[in-house]
Amino acid sequence: KQEVTQIPAALSVPEGENLVLNCSFTDSAIYNLQWFRQDPGKGLTSLLLIQSSQREQTSGRLNASLDKSSGRSTLYIAASQPGDSATYLCAVNSDSWGKLQFGAGTQVVVTP
Amino acid sequence: GAVVSQHPSRVICKSGTSVKIECRSLDFQATTMFWYRQFPKQSLMLMATSNEGSKATYEQGVEKDKFLINHASLTLSTLTVTSAHPEDSSFYICSARDWGFSDPETQYFGPGTRLLVL
Repeated sequence: KQEVTQIPAALSVPEGENLVLNCSFTDSAIYNLQWFRQDPGKGLTSLLLIQSSQREQTSGRLNASLDKSSGRSTLYIAASQPGDSATYLCAVNSDSWGKLQFGAGTQVVVTP
Repeated sequence: GAVVSQHPSRVICKSGTSVKIECRSLDFQATTMFWYRQFPKQSLMLMATSNEGSKATYEQGVEKDKFLINHASLTLSTLTVTSAHPEDSSFYICSARDWGFSDPETQYFGPGTRLLVL
């Protein structure tokens, strides 16, 4: 059974620092991996989706890498801003229907 | 991007009553929708996969007679929590895949429904 782990569980950084969020998964037979952002009491916003054949994806200040063989993905957020404060979730799709297995998330606080 | 809505956003009900939650894809057709549950300070757990025109597939440990799912059209799936009890209080989120979009593997999530059972 696929298990997804996110480290650290919480992270606090001053504004301007780069953020590094880690996600690991136990079964490398995946279709894709997706990073989401969740604000308190809200739904999910998709940030990046990496296909199993890709090594990384970039969108603005966000960059996500994928090392499928070692079961790891890393989300980098450059030059953090207070508006980046949220919980970041990674989710692995190991199923042709698209079922997602979520990690527990990393709660990020960016202080001004 | 594709938009998914949920209604209601928040509901409070008495123990023993049933509650229906709607999930709609607003600008695309979703043959597959997913229902997740999130308890406070925890991550999302998949409850069931909803396919238009067929019975939903439930994850292990999810009572199908308690959580009734209907996917009657390509844009609407409903989750009914029957005979709700306080332990059913949670944040319910749906998602949908837009098979016709250029990025069909991305899942689009609704804003969630907060259920509180008294």
